[in-house]
Amino acid sequence: EPEVTQTPSHQVTQMGQEVILRCVPISNHLYFYWYRQILGQKVEFLVSFYNNEISEKSEIFDDQFSVERPDGSNFTLKIRSTKLEDSAMYFCASMRDRSSGANVLTFGAGSRLTVL
Amino acid sequence: EDKVVQSPLSLVVHEGDTVTLNCSYEVTNFRSLLWYKQEKKAPTFLFMLTSSGIEKKSGRLSSILDKKELFSILNITATQTGDSAVYLCAVEATGNQFYFGTGTSLTVIP
Repeated sequence: EPEVTQTPSHQVTQMGQEVILRCVPISNHLYFYWYRQILGQKVEFLVSFYNNEISEKSEIFDDQFSVERPDGSNFTLKIRSTKLEDSAMYFCASMRDRSSGANVLTFGAGSRLTVL
Repeated sequence: EDKVVQSPLSLVVHEGDTVTLNCSYEVTNFRSLLWYKQEKKAPTFLFMLTSSGIEKKSGRLSSILDKKELFSILNITATQTGDSAVYLCAVEATGNQFYFGTGTSLTVIP
């Protein structure tokens, strides 16, 4: 069964360092998302991406964050200068399209980011 | 502000019990409501509901949506230890966004 693949599964970094989290969405999906989940808290929307551009972003997704789809398959989330409060599980998700029945988010296994 | 509220926050039951998980929402431009099961890592899809009053069923799990009262329930009958997980409710709105609740943590004791 097709799946969303995320790397790395766990990254430990020092505060202030740049981090890139990678995702390979399901190949025929058109909509891509990043969510994060701080330990013990709810899943929070960061950004959605469609047609090679950001379609929506939350207040969390400030100037420290950026997304790219550099080569038509990978979908990356970059955090420019990590802060302690960026420690969380970051989930990539993709969706085939917005038609009825296809608008189901499929999640990757997540990338756990620990900022020291 | 759009929001999704799940209750209870956590639940401990014995194997064989039936549980009902609740999700209420206040979301502008509702499109659909989805239930996910989150065990160790990624949420896995259970149900998508778009129409009121039509029950979706999968084995021991079932779910229904009430678009007038703005809530959904997820029922699990004859619970098993493998049902232990966090159950997430998400509401899709137009504008390409999904709003998640805090989840209900279910623990099934043998």
